[in-house]
Amino acid sequence: NAGVTQTPKFQVLKTGQSMTLQCAQDMNHNSMYWYRQDPGMGLRLIYYSASEGTTDKGEVPNGYNVSRLNKREFSLRLESAAPSQTSVYFCASSDQYNEQFFGPGTRLTVL
Amino acid sequence: AQSVTQPDIHITVSEGASLELRCNYSYGATPYLFWYVQSPGQGLQLLLKYFSGDTLVQGIKGFEAEFKRSQSSFNLRKPSVHWSDAAEYFCAVGSGNTGKLIFGQGTTLQVKP
Repeated sequence: NAGVTQTPKFQVLKTGQSMTLQCAQDMNHNSMYWYRQDPGMGLRLIYYSASEGTTDKGEVPNGYNVSRLNKREFSLRLESAAPSQTSVYFCASSDQYNEQFFGPGTRLTVL
Repeated sequence: AQSVTQPDIHITVSEGASLELRCNYSYGATPYLFWYVQSPGQGLQLLLKYFSGDTLVQGIKGFEAEFKRSQSSFNLRKPSVHWSDAAEYFCAVGSGNTGKLIFGQGTTLQVKP
């Protein structure tokens, strides 16, 4: 099993460009999450999806949108990238006991 | 509101020495508690977790943690640190309903030879 996969691994954008980060899990988990990680700030939740067909805002949702395409896939979209969105983005999925399984991350730089 | 505090941003220990990383949480009910480790450039890997029962939990790589309700703490320990333990460590608390986790800001462990 691959667990949680993310694409791309690295991306450089110019201010104002858009992009979609892809995430997929093969563990049949209901819940999926998007985090951003910045130095000294730990992981901050952007959006989450408790089940297929539902999404909810986390701590830092501004500037992002998400789509829970099906049970396996949960994408994160930046419509108009800003330098403040330079970060490392992690996708995760969880079982019924809250244990979260993380993908390898996407390093995004916005110039 | 739920919160997690890791008081030590950076810790340096000598290889072979013992280690304790502190974690304090704020949560109304019995929490689900986790410790994750992140090596440079990698994702997060679960070290151990506490849901209920025995308050001393064993994890991977020789780590253990003790849940102390009276102190709202869940400190991570290892008797003898190896150079490969150098990484960033995150404590997290979960609510149980939504599956969301609240993470501490992390503690970076440096191991001296």
